[in-house]
Amino acid sequence: DSGVTQTPKHLITATGQRVTLRCSPRSGDLSVYWYQQSLDQGLQFLIQYYNGEERAKGNILERFSAQQFPDLHSELNLSSLELGDSALYFCASSRRPGSGELFFGEGSRLTVL
Amino acid sequence: DQQVKQNSPSLSVQEGRISILNCDYTNSMFDYFLWYKKYPAEGPTFLISISSIKDKNEDGRFTVFLNKSAKHLSLHIVPSQPGDSAVYFCAASRLANAGGTSYGKLTFGQGTILTVHP
Repeated sequence: DSGVTQTPKHLITATGQRVTLRCSPRSGDLSVYWYQQSLDQGLQFLIQYYNGEERAKGNILERFSAQQFPDLHSELNLSSLELGDSALYFCASSRRPGSGELFFGEGSRLTVL
Repeated sequence: DQQVKQNSPSLSVQEGRISILNCDYTNSMFDYFLWYKKYPAEGPTFLISISSIKDKNEDGRFTVFLNKSAKHLSLHIVPSQPGDSAVYFCAASRLANAGGTSYGKLTFGQGTILTVHP
């Protein structure tokens, strides 16, 4: 158990819909990262927050947005969903962001039909 | 622009033998290199890391070697055990750049599926 909690674990929805994925980082971790893993793909960095502020952005689509709340939990919002958005979405947290040692949740598997 | 590459999608090894997983990178500005292991239905878990100023780091059965001139790193597992069967991801990290915007994000390779046969 990494201490990072992601909900929901599985989500099936239709094209054009909007979903919200939630992440609770490990206790005391200020940094939260979101990654996307599509079929046969490695983990693609989406976005990073540190203590409520956006710190780095990767290949995140404009249809996607995220935020980190004062209690440090984070949400990833995916809108106008397309078939290609079907993927595993991982959240990770870190106490020492510079080291690269991230603790990952089990992921949220999104299926868009 | 794939800055971290794992060119071998899979590797099969006999129990007790050495497993060698390879990774190449293109960005000489990376500060840390890491290996993560992933089992099905689980998130990746940190395995071992190495700073860019070192060329070797060892932790039990796991050793990571870094060749900066070749922009290549490898993970050695000796001896390999069936429980090591998993997907192994190579990753690289930069500390904050001048704009402070890359504070620890990881760039991952595609992963290598390691199968250790009893």
